[in-house]
Amino acid sequence: GENVEQHPSTLSVQEGDSAVIKCTYSDSASNYFPWYKQELGKGPQLIIDIRSNVGEKKDQRIAVTLNKTAKHFSLHITETQPEDSAVYFCAAMRGAGGFKTIFGAGTRLFVKA
Amino acid sequence: EPEVTQTPSHQVTQMGQEVILRCVPISNHLYFYWYRQILGQKVEFLVSFYNNEISEKSEIFDDQFSVERPDGSNFTLKIRSTKLEDSAMYFCASSGLALRLGYNEQFFGPGTRLTVL
Repeated sequence: GENVEQHPSTLSVQEGDSAVIKCTYSDSASNYFPWYKQELGKGPQLIIDIRSNVGEKKDQRIAVTLNKTAKHFSLHITETQPEDSAVYFCAAMRGAGGFKTIFGAGTRLFVKA
Repeated sequence: EPEVTQTPSHQVTQMGQEVILRCVPISNHLYFYWYRQILGQKVEFLVSFYNNEISEKSEIFDDQFSVERPDGSNFTLKIRSTKLEDSAMYFCASSGLALRLGYNEQFFGPGTRLTVL
């Protein structure tokens, strides 16, 4: 069945350092890959996304890369700040039918001041 | 900025009871979803809904679950006979029509915490 693997499960970095979270997906029909940030007690909030016809996308300190051949995609956060501390989820969606979205298990990011 | 809202924020119920979780999607959105998140675990897809019918559902979404759009604004998830393992955070999401683009950005509500005793 469809699956999304996400690593690491926990990541601790010093303020100002970069953080990288990696995901792999199994469903070849996936063509949309959103990343969500979840803070305690809140719903997932979309922070960046990438579509399968694009290899890289950047939005200020956040960038995402996609390797369709290897079925890998990654989130890069540069110049981390304490407010970046949260749980980050990658996800993969099939762009047809019911737009079923499969989430990774999440990465708890700690940014130490 | 428009947002998805959910009520109640916390629902406590006895095992075997029926519960209805309510959501108000973003007003011009056409696709609606329910997800659940057991404490400390990943977000899991339950069901998607479009044009007044279920588009897709997961293996979690068995006969105990149903969804409805009773009017032009609400989207509900009903669990007929709750079990202890139904205890989780339930998130509603909605998205606009972007079929020709082949993807659909989903906006999530704040969730309803369901506790089954």
